[in-house]
Amino acid sequence: KAGVTQTPRYLIKTRGQQVTLSCSPISGHRSVSWYQQTPGQGLQFLFEYFSETQRNKGNFPGRFSGRQFSNSRSEMNVSTLELGDSALYLCASSSGQGTSYEQYFGPGTRLTVT
Amino acid sequence: GQSLEQPSEVTAVEGAIVQINCTYQTSGFYGLSWYQQHDGGAPTFLSYNALDGLEETGRFSSFLSRSDSYGYLLLQELQMKDSASYFCAVRDFGNYGQNFVFGPGTRLSVLP
Repeated sequence: KAGVTQTPRYLIKTRGQQVTLSCSPISGHRSVSWYQQTPGQGLQFLFEYFSETQRNKGNFPGRFSGRQFSNSRSEMNVSTLELGDSALYLCASSSGQGTSYEQYFGPGTRLTVT
Repeated sequence: GQSLEQPSEVTAVEGAIVQINCTYQTSGFYGLSWYQQHDGGAPTFLSYNALDGLEETGRFSSFLSRSDSYGYLLLQELQMKDSASYFCAVRDFGNYGQNFVFGPGTRLSVLP
């Protein structure tokens, strides 16, 4: 079974621009979660999508948004980029069922904002 | 608030046993998970405890005490490849519904 894929792997943007990141979950998984990882703040939860609906949301500003398509692929968008948005963005897929939350992470997108 | 605490670094030698502790304070709790992350890699799932007690998976074991808001990951017969960061994580209730909260991570260095 193919793992979680994320594109692009690396991205350099300028302050004020916007960016869209893509995540393809493991086949059959309906839940996709997004995380931001930085050396200072660690792994922080952005949001979770399940069956095209945002089910959970972390404490991030509205500049961070996402969506999920009918094939469970997900995108996240960051508008009006700030220097502090430089981070590794990880998506994780899971079945989304029950209370077990075994998540499978993708390799991440390394975003650098200059 | 919601917070998890882990030691920042742990060092051990090959073949030894090491325990990484995690304490948490959350308004809600669905269970404790552990993830391993090598430098430059993605986190990989190791274990999950929803109930009190010990879960064993090969060389790795994880323990949970809900009354103490405490858990640990036990790594036995350490190998060089176990050098990585280890994160505990809980599902919590936040202002916007359920959040997935990760600890700051423990960097394990295995020495020859």
